[in-house]
Amino acid sequence: AQSVSQHNHHVILSEAASLELGCNYSYGGTVNLFWYVQYPGQHLQLLLKYFSGDPLVKGIKGFEAEFIKSKFSFNLRKPSVQWSDTAEYFCAVRSNFGNEKLTFGTGTRLTIIP
Amino acid sequence: GAGVSQSPSNKVTEKGKDVELRCDPISGHTALYWYRQSLGQGLEFLIYFQGNSAPDKSGLPSDRFSAERTGGSVSTLTIQRTQQEDSAVYLCASSSNGQGRNSPLHFGNGTRLTVT
Repeated sequence: AQSVSQHNHHVILSEAASLELGCNYSYGGTVNLFWYVQYPGQHLQLLLKYFSGDPLVKGIKGFEAEFIKSKFSFNLRKPSVQWSDTAEYFCAVRSNFGNEKLTFGTGTRLTIIP
Repeated sequence: GAGVSQSPSNKVTEKGKDVELRCDPISGHTALYWYRQSLGQGLEFLIYFQGNSAPDKSGLPSDRFSAERTGGSVSTLTIQRTQQEDSAVYLCASSSNGQGRNSPLHFGNGTRLTVT
């Protein structure tokens, strides 16, 4: 069964700091990978996704993530965070065939200090 | 256009009562998912519907939980004899195409269930 690990439970940064949130998954086959974000009081929304091709994907609001197959990782990055990036971030994986279930990590709460 | 709609937004119920949570997916979306979000637990998969196929119920935590999807559209999640550990935010999501692989999930705002 597929699983997702997000080792950072709560990250606190100052504005303009660089961000990297870790995401590792376990699944032996081809996968689709996602990052979702949940801003305070809002519903989950897609930040970026990887299906195939260039392993460096860019999403909304200056976020990017790099798929490293050999490390089973899909870390989220942003060079300079803003206060408005305060939110909870979820990594998710889905197999590329068969079962369509999307498996989420436990999430990382990001707090940006102005 | 309208997004995924869930009702009620909040539900407080007494232990032992049954509750029904409703989800209206985006029109035309063939795939529908239920997840549960608990503090510190992330998003827990409950059940997945895809068109007319048999649903994937592998995430339902007990036989007190059931869900149906009528006419390939609206879905209802039912929890019988609620327990305090059922307290959580129940999220519904839908996606557009038959395979779902190239379409992300669109989430509703969730139903916050509190069992007293």
